[in-house]
Amino acid sequence: GENVEQHPSTLSVQEGDSAVIKCTYSDSASNYFPWYKQELGKRPQLIIDIRSNVGEKKDQRIAVTLNKTAKHFSLHITETQPEDSAVYFCAVSLGGGFKTIFGAGTRLFVKA
Amino acid sequence: DAGVIQSPRHEVTEMGQEVTLRCKPISGHDYLFWYRQTMMRGLELLIYFNNNVPIDDSGMPEDRFSAKMPNASFSTLKIQPSEPRDSAVYFCASVKRGEAFFGQGTRLTVV
Repeated sequence: GENVEQHPSTLSVQEGDSAVIKCTYSDSASNYFPWYKQELGKRPQLIIDIRSNVGEKKDQRIAVTLNKTAKHFSLHITETQPEDSAVYFCAVSLGGGFKTIFGAGTRLFVKA
Repeated sequence: DAGVIQSPRHEVTEMGQEVTLRCKPISGHDYLFWYRQTMMRGLELLIYFNNNVPIDDSGMPEDRFSAKMPNASFSTLKIQPSEPRDSAVYFCASVKRGEAFFGQGTRLTVV
């Protein structure tokens, strides 16, 4: 079955710096790669996603890049702010809702 | 739409008791997932349904766990008998075109 690895498990950055979180997956048939943000005590919520026919996608300060050949994708957050502090999960699925598997999560701390 | 609704929000029960967690997905979403979240194991997929039919229950840890979806607007996850190691936050998520919409979760504590 699909295996998703996420690194690092914890990331601490200074406010204004960039943060990068990386995920690798095993199933080459996977074609949908969302990222979720979970604030303390709350539910995970989608922040950005990418489908396998696109290499990069940006939304303001966040961007996701996808390398299908290497089977890895990354989340980039620029100009980090304290409110970006949360746990971030990558996920992989075949699209259409098939079996979405999550990475282990990255706890991001943004120090003011 | 009110989003995915889970009940109860918190449940404290004694070891050996039966626990039933409930979920109402978003109308029109044809996939429903149950996840368990712990500090040690992160978000684990337990089971998922497509059009009310269980598709993959390979993540269900033991026979003590069972899940049903009798119709498109309701699903349950049952643990019988419950054990302290079942303590976790259980999330239900309904999915459309791959995007998962999570409920607020049920925090289960088994003492």
